[in-house]
Amino acid sequence: RKEVEQDPGPFNVPEGATVAFNCTYSNSASQSFFWYRQDCRKEPKLLMSVYSSGNEDGRFTAQLNRASQYISLLIRDSKLSDSATYLCVAGNQFYFGTGTSLTVIP
Amino acid sequence: DAGITQSPRHKVTETGTPVTLRCHQTENHRYMYWYRQDPGHGLRLIHYSYGVKDTDKGEVSDGYSVSRSKTEDFLLTLESATSSQTSVYFCAISELAGAGEQYFGPGTRLTVT
Repeated sequence: RKEVEQDPGPFNVPEGATVAFNCTYSNSASQSFFWYRQDCRKEPKLLMSVYSSGNEDGRFTAQLNRASQYISLLIRDSKLSDSATYLCVAGNQFYFGTGTSLTVIP
Repeated sequence: DAGITQSPRHKVTETGTPVTLRCHQTENHRYMYWYRQDPGHGLRLIHYSYGVKDTDKGEVSDGYSVSRSKTEDFLLTLESATSSQTSVYFCAISELAGAGEQYFGPGTRLTVT
């Protein structure tokens, strides 16, 4: 079983839609969680941290569910510029998910 | 953007030749990492460093070695390149331990023929 698993997608959504991704992790001792964004043929870039209480940054909301061992990323009012691959990582373990591909369609 | 550069950015080499990739940072971060990224596998850790001359193996370290003689430089060497090492290699840095808030270099696209 992989340490971190993501639905690879692709998710194709129209502009303005709300889309959510989940990422499950296997090690219940994981303490820190993050979402990264990776554009095609570019390096991953930190999008946001995931705190126990959840956190929000503009149109993006990240949540942690320790009981079910998953983190989620919600994107509201999708923009064309949100098209990318979104990677999750469970901290202190060096394991990244394989990424979820999102395409926002005009 | 974090000051991380990688060189070369692209390289084509032949099977059996040694290859060294360089990662250079200007952030003075203690931790540095080398990953490879392949379709279907995502990012996989090859080696990491927690200080000058302090390194450890990651998930896919076979066939690779690393060195860190200065805080700012982390070298990845493919001792004898194989076609299975064709990949995109990313270097990353972080201030704190663990795989949390890392900042990535632009990547090196390596092709082994």
